Amino acid sequence: DTAVSQTPKYLVTQMGNDKSIKCEQNLGHDTMYWYKQDSKKFLKIMFSYNNKELIINETVPNRFSPKSPDKAHLNLHINSLELGDSAVYFCASSPAGTGETQYFGPGTRLLVL
Amino acid sequence: GNSVTQMEGPVTLSEEAFLTINCTYTATGYPSLFWYVQYPGEGLQLLLKATKADDKGSNKGFEATYRKETTSFHLEKGSVQVSDSAVYFCALRSGANSKLTFGKGITLSVRP
Repeated sequence: DTAVSQTPKYLVTQMGNDKSIKCEQNLGHDTMYWYKQDSKKFLKIMFSYNNKELIINETVPNRFSPKSPDKAHLNLHINSLELGDSAVYFCASSPAGTGETQYFGPGTRLLVL
Repeated sequence: GNSVTQMEGPVTLSEEAFLTINCTYTATGYPSLFWYVQYPGEGLQLLLKATKADDKGSNKGFEATYRKETTSFHLEKGSVQVSDSAVYFCALRSGANSKLTFGKGITLSVRP
């Protein structure tokens, strides 16, 4: 069984559209994250939720809105897509605790044309 | 704030060569340190980790030792294989619900 899953795996869309990426984890973890990986492979945190509560919100345009309906799901909605949003988006989850491992999903490759 | 610095890449080695990938960090408090690996077209997987000073993480022949005095967590492998070709990320985490702070990643290519 997949521990952290994301849908869709690939997303190609036009500028100005609105799209959503879904993430689910079956590990029973309390904390979930969204990371963005740019074309140079650099990874940066976007958001983090703990038990459905937002705890990290980095400097991200407010066109990006995370939603956590329950602690097993963290979705990412993006409004008015721009060319610069093209990237790979990774969802992750972990138990609480500094030494705990974060488990990553397979990524969603977003291309904005 | 927290930061992780990795050596510049890419790195190309012949099979069975010795590998060292340098990683140094700056952090408040007592961070945990991680190496993640990303194989082509895949997500990130934990390779190894260390949660306190002088701990050594090891997995699949890779090792890294948490050196607080030099704020380093260098990754080593005695004999690399073609299947080790991937992008390697050093990362740290400081705080119970905190994010991972990643280095820039380094691409390793191993030639047969």
